[in-house]
Amino acid sequence: SQTIHQWPATLVQPVGSPLSLECTVEGTSNPNLYWYRQAAGRGLQLLFYSIGIDQISSEVPQNLSASRPQDRQFILSSKKLLLSDSGFYLCAWSVGGLWSEAFFGQGTRLTVV
Amino acid sequence: QKEVEQDPGPLSVPEGAIVSLNCTYSNSAFQYFMWYRQYSRKGPELLMYTYSSGNKEDGRFTAQVDKSSKYISLFIRDSQPSDSATYLCAMSYGGSQGNLIFGKGTKLSVKP
Repeated sequence: SQTIHQWPATLVQPVGSPLSLECTVEGTSNPNLYWYRQAAGRGLQLLFYSIGIDQISSEVPQNLSASRPQDRQFILSSKKLLLSDSGFYLCAWSVGGLWSEAFFGQGTRLTVV
Repeated sequence: QKEVEQDPGPLSVPEGAIVSLNCTYSNSAFQYFMWYRQYSRKGPELLMYTYSSGNKEDGRFTAQVDKSSKYISLFIRDSQPSDSATYLCAMSYGGSQGNLIFGKGTKLSVKP
């Protein structure tokens, strides 16, 4: 069966520090991969999606970036965090259609202080 | 008008009640509809997925889609305290177009 791993679960980082969140999927090949951010009262916001290695699409301009160095690995990064980057970051995957049902990881709660 | 509207609640019901959760949408091009359950501080979990008008049942859960009214519902029968969570609706156009659009979620509390 397919599983998705996302870490760390919780992260507190100072403003201006770098960020690296990692997500890996097991039990499937060539998944579509997604990064979402969930802020209180604002719902799920799509940040990036990827249909294959090194194929990244950005939905929202910001100081975040994403990379997909391997088929089942998706990384969310920032060179310098802002206070507004605080939130709950979720990695997800799907197979088949790009916008078919997505399966989520357990999320990373990021607090920028 | 927002693409997907969902009453944020909170909704509080006694154990055993039938719960009705709803979303409305504005774009008739949406073809695929999903319901997710999200416990506090956890990732959303897919509950139901459907692409046609009508009802789809899975245990105590029934998803209903009315494309003519642009309205989807999730019914929970015999609700349990373990159903207490935030429920998110989501929908997409299908294919490679657009995005998976989420409602903001309805927070449900089932009291024993």
